Amino acid sequence: QKEVEQNSGPLSVPEGAIASLNCTYSDRGSQSFFWYRQYSGKSPELIMSIYSNGDKEDGRFTAQLNKASQYVSLLIRDSQPSDSATYLCAVPTGTASKLTFGTGTRLQVTL
Amino acid sequence: DVKVTQSSRYLVKRTGEKVFLECVQDMDHENMFWYRQDPGLGLRLIYFSYDVKMKEKGDIPEGYSVSREKKERFSLILESASTNQTSMYLCASSLRDLSNSPLHFGNGTRLTVT
Repeated sequence: QKEVEQNSGPLSVPEGAIASLNCTYSDRGSQSFFWYRQYSGKSPELIMSIYSNGDKEDGRFTAQLNKASQYVSLLIRDSQPSDSATYLCAVPTGTASKLTFGTGTRLQVTL
Repeated sequence: DVKVTQSSRYLVKRTGEKVFLECVQDMDHENMFWYRQDPGLGLRLIYFSYDVKMKEKGDIPEGYSVSREKKERFSLILESASTNQTSMYLCASSLRDLSNSPLHFGNGTRLTVT
């Protein structure tokens, strides 16, 4: 089992809809979780971090964490074409000495 | 703002050449990382360093080595480049506590080995 797994997509949603991106992880001891966004040809940039079970909201983005089920999700409300990118889930592994990334989910927001 | 600078945006090298990829960060970060990114495989960690002269193998260290002689600089070395090392290479840095510190990435170096 991979340490961090994501559906590669593409996930296609119409403008204004909610995009839901999911990620599962294997290490039950993981304490922190990150979502990065990567535009085509650019480097990843951090958009959300979450440490506790439940929801964390930041503008149009909501991160959800369920440690019992070992999944973390990212919801994007009122999706815009500018949200079209690849979204990477990342979890510290190896006694939190390194960050392991999922393969990313490509999101396409259509007009 | 944290700045992570990679020396080259594009590189073309021949099989068997020794290749140096340089990375410099300006925020006094303890941790530095080298990843490669390939379609369908995502970001894979090659090596990382949490202090000067310290290095740790990541998930795919074979065929690579690193050097960290100064805190701000982390170099990735391909001793004898091969075609399967054609990839996008990303350098990143962070504060020591990775659980609370985001990674800051450079712009990447697209390496082609012919």
